[in-house]
Amino acid sequence: GESVGLHLPTLSVQEGDNSIINCAYSNSASDYFIWYKQESGKGPQFIIDIRSNMDKRQGQRVTVLLNKTVKHLSLQIAATQPGDSAVYFCAAGGRSQGNLIFGKGTKLSVKP
Amino acid sequence: DGGITQSPKYLFRKEGQNVTLSCEQNLNHDAMYWYRQDPGQGLRLIYYSQIVNDFQKGDIAEGYSVSREKKESFPLTVTSAQKNPTAFYLCASSTNDRGYGYTFGSGTRLTVV
Repeated sequence: GESVGLHLPTLSVQEGDNSIINCAYSNSASDYFIWYKQESGKGPQFIIDIRSNMDKRQGQRVTVLLNKTVKHLSLQIAATQPGDSAVYFCAAGGRSQGNLIFGKGTKLSVKP
Repeated sequence: DGGITQSPKYLFRKEGQNVTLSCEQNLNHDAMYWYRQDPGQGLRLIYYSQIVNDFQKGDIAEGYSVSREKKESFPLTVTSAQKNPTAFYLCASSTNDRGYGYTFGSGTRLTVV
């Protein structure tokens, strides 16, 4: 069946470094992708999204890259801060697909 | 401000009891969802509803029930048939346009005592 997976369940980075979190999806019909941030004990919060007609989209300190050829997307966080410590997960969906399919999440820890 | 509200934040259930988790949204979203999240795990879909008075089972519906009598509300009942109910429960809503993401509530942590 359809799946969305992350390459690493945990990631530890030094404060000020850049972070890269990866995600793979299986459904070629997916044309909408979204990254969420979930802090401990809270609900997931929208970070950034991207549609399949784009390869790259930038927000404030975050960039999402989409490679449709290999069905892979990544979230890059520039100058990682302690407040970025959270679980990040991706989701894939689209107009020809059912509900969003969520990945399991990567826990990002930022070392001071 | 528009948003989605879950209550209570913490809930304790005795063995054999049914408990109901509340989810209300004022985003005018047609679709609503309930997910279960266990420690270190991803989101697992329990039930979802795309329109008032209609809902579908997700991947782990056994031991749970829902209703959708109003567009704004999608309560989840955890019944005594759910043998391992301790988890973090998340409600979400969205438009029925598949090209957009979901807005999540802040979650309810249910513990069996």
